[in-house]
Amino acid sequence: GENVEQHPSTLSVQEGDSAVIKCTYSDSASNYFPWYKQELGKRPQLIIDIRSNVGEKKDQRIAVTLNKTAKHFSLHITETQPEDSAVYFCAASIRPRDYKLSFGAGTTVTVRA
Amino acid sequence: DGGITQSPKYLFRKEGQNVTLSCEQNLNHDAMYWYRQDPGQGLRLIYYSQIVNDFQKGDIAEGYSVSREKKESFPLTVTSAQKNPTAFYLCASSPPDFSHTFGSGTRLTVV
Repeated sequence: GENVEQHPSTLSVQEGDSAVIKCTYSDSASNYFPWYKQELGKRPQLIIDIRSNVGEKKDQRIAVTLNKTAKHFSLHITETQPEDSAVYFCAASIRPRDYKLSFGAGTTVTVRA
Repeated sequence: DGGITQSPKYLFRKEGQNVTLSCEQNLNHDAMYWYRQDPGQGLRLIYYSQIVNDFQKGDIAEGYSVSREKKESFPLTVTSAQKNPTAFYLCASSPPDFSHTFGSGTRLTVV
């Protein structure tokens, strides 16, 4: 099955700096890559996703890039704010064959004021 | 909770006891999922269902059972065969070609 690795496991940044989280996947057939944000004790919430026919997608301070050749994708958060502190998960899926997601182990991001 | 409801929020299980976690969605999503989350770890798939009356095992199905008799409902039973059930359980649903919507979770503790 699909194996998703996520790095780093923890990330501490100064407020206003950028944060980058990287994920690699094993199955070249994967074509859908969502990112989730989970605040302490809360449920994960989708923040951005990208499909394999697109190399980059942006939504305000958040962007995701995809390199299909290297089988990795990254989340970029610019101008970080304290409310960006959370655990971030990447995931991969093969659509429409398989609805389920394979998740990375998560990155705990701490934004220092 | 965004159209997908989990209950109860907290659940305590005695040794050797089966317990059932409820998950209901009114989003008309075809697929539903159960994940387990342990402290400091990611989301591990227990079971999932892409259609009513059908479900598949995930990565850690041993000691768990599910049913999908209605599109809206996907209950999870944690059986006595699950030796280490203390965890945060998340239910999710999705349409065919989009991402998951998660419930607010059930925190299960063995006492």
